Amino acid sequence: EADIYQTPRYLVIGTGKKITLECSQTMGHDKMYWYQQDPGMELHLIHYSYGVNSTEKGDLSSESTVSRIRTEHFPLTLESARPSHTSQYLCASGQGTDTQYFGPGTRLTVL
Amino acid sequence: QQQVKQSPQSLIVQKGGISIINCAYENTAFDYFPWYQQFPGKGPALLIAIRPDVSEKKEGRFTISFNKSAKQFSLHIMDSQPGDSATYFCAANSSASKIIFGSGTRLSIRP
Repeated sequence: EADIYQTPRYLVIGTGKKITLECSQTMGHDKMYWYQQDPGMELHLIHYSYGVNSTEKGDLSSESTVSRIRTEHFPLTLESARPSHTSQYLCASGQGTDTQYFGPGTRLTVL
Repeated sequence: QQQVKQSPQSLIVQKGGISIINCAYENTAFDYFPWYQQFPGKGPALLIAIRPDVSEKKEGRFTISFNKSAKQFSLHIMDSQPGDSATYFCAANSSASKIIFGSGTRLSIRP
């Protein structure tokens, strides 16, 4: 089992709130990713990082931001949550071109 | 050229039957082709992967068939079981690009 953790697992918040979704991995991987996924549907890459102080936007436009100050930590922040942000957010990490290891996901509901 | 096209979108197979999911790619630079399995409420997990120097890879009931000239690869699940019911994603990757996921196939195995 991969050592990648996401908190919280479930979050229900009101519109306009600022939230941070946490992702940590203990495998020393350089590459980390955030995906947005509606249940059972496509994986949409929203952010990725190839190392400390390196972040890039993914293929799906997102109002969220990310930071990579430490190798093991890749938090995602929404400054002002809206109902359209309701989704599952999956964090992943990897090394080189091989396997991506996914966390269990955060299920976000914005009321 | 970066797309990975996956079909079918959903699949229903009788217990004991063979499940077949197909993927096609365009970018000939891709050199790693993994399949991920995702159960409801969980993140995707690597199931099996292949590199283009071989035409087939088998692990237990799961087999990847790879056709380099046609730029296609497929997942075969032999003796399909209800526990195989999940969403399956194919993917393609190279050292020069981010991993690209297919759109997913929801597999349901009927008892």
